Amino acid sequence: KQEVTQIPAALSVPEGENLVLNCSFTDSAIYNLQWFRQDPGKGLTSLLLIQSSQREQTSGRLNASLDKSSGRSTLYIAASQPGDSATYLCAVASSNTGKLIFGQGTTLQVKP
Amino acid sequence: GAGVSQSPSNKVTEKGKDVELRCDPISGHTALYWYRQSLGQGLEFLIYFQGNSAPDKSGLPSDRFSAERTGGSVSTLTIQRTQQEDSAVYLCASSLVTTTGELFFGEGSRLTVL
Repeated sequence: KQEVTQIPAALSVPEGENLVLNCSFTDSAIYNLQWFRQDPGKGLTSLLLIQSSQREQTSGRLNASLDKSSGRSTLYIAASQPGDSATYLCAVASSNTGKLIFGQGTTLQVKP
Repeated sequence: GAGVSQSPSNKVTEKGKDVELRCDPISGHTALYWYRQSLGQGLEFLIYFQGNSAPDKSGLPSDRFSAERTGGSVSTLTIQRTQQEDSAVYLCASSLVTTTGELFFGEGSRLTVL
């Protein structure tokens, strides 16, 4: 059974810092891994999608890496801003079941 | 529409009543997913559709929950005889293709069972 874990559960940093969010998964048989952002009371917004054959994806100040063999992904946020404050979730699409399994999320607060 | 649309955005109901939640996916998206997010919890998979068929219903919590999708577009999630533990945000997402495609979420339907 695929399990997705995100560490840390919460993170508070001063504005301008670079930071890394971690995601690990137990079953390496995946189609892809996706990072989402969720603002309070809102739905999820897709940030980056990494296919199983890829090692990383970049969008603006965000960079996501994937190491399928070790079951890990990281989301790197450069030069953090208060507007980055949100909950970040990773999800893996299991190639055995087709389901997208989510981690519990990391709640990020960037202080001005 | 431009994004995934869900209605109602908020629903308050009494225990024992039936509720229907609607999801209108992005036009052309063949895959549609329902998730549930309880307060302080992660996202719980409920069901997904590929076209009008539902290959995997294993996530539905009980037989009080059912979902259908007609015309390969709009989906309805029905909860019969609601219980207080059904209170949650129900999120719908769609994807151009199953499993390999990027998922786009609606804003969710917040259900409160009194």
